[in-house]
Amino acid sequence: GENVEQHPSTLSVQEGDSAVIKCTYSDSASNYFPWYKQELGKGPQLIIDIRSNVGEKKDQRIAVTLNKTAKHFSLHITETQPEDSAVYFCAAIFSGDSSYKLIFGSGTRLLVRP
Amino acid sequence: EAQVTQNPRYLITVTGKKLTVTCSQNMNHEYMSWYRQDPGLGLRQIYYSMNVEVTDKGDVPEGYKVSRKEKRNFPLILESPSPNQTSLYFCASSFRQKDYEQYFGPGTRLTVT
Repeated sequence: GENVEQHPSTLSVQEGDSAVIKCTYSDSASNYFPWYKQELGKGPQLIIDIRSNVGEKKDQRIAVTLNKTAKHFSLHITETQPEDSAVYFCAAIFSGDSSYKLIFGSGTRLLVRP
Repeated sequence: EAQVTQNPRYLITVTGKKLTVTCSQNMNHEYMSWYRQDPGLGLRQIYYSMNVEVTDKGDVPEGYKVSRKEKRNFPLILESPSPNQTSLYFCASSFRQKDYEQYFGPGTRLTVT
């Protein structure tokens, strides 16, 4: 079935350290894997995404890696800052002939300690 | 300002009393979707719409209805709400259905007693 698993559920790091969040997906996933950040009281917001034709993508302190063979992808945040504290969701698209679903992981609550 | 708006933001109601949560986007997006967010379960898709008059079930459609009569609006209807529909609801839209960024509304916190 269509499933995305995300670990860990909570992550606490010291300011300046790195944070890594990992996700795995089931068979038949499509080629698009976005990451969303949700701050308290707000809707999720896209922070980075990756397509299956690349293995890694970077945007300043954020990077995402994709291993299609192993069916997992990861979010890496370097030099963490207190404003990085939020809930992060990975997601994967599952698409068929006439359907399109964005399936989310269960979320990781990241706390960056000053 | 490009945005997705939802109303109401907070709603407390009783079991069985029909309600509608409105969603509107001003970006001329084709794709719109509703999610519910529950602790430990992430975001689960309720219904989605690829374009006007085209809707389809997501993962948790039971107890919900939607309609897409105009491109900008995608209301979520609970004909007979039950306590297990107490949740945080998000509407989202994107330019097209495949691998485009989804823009989320601010959320509607619904409590059914």
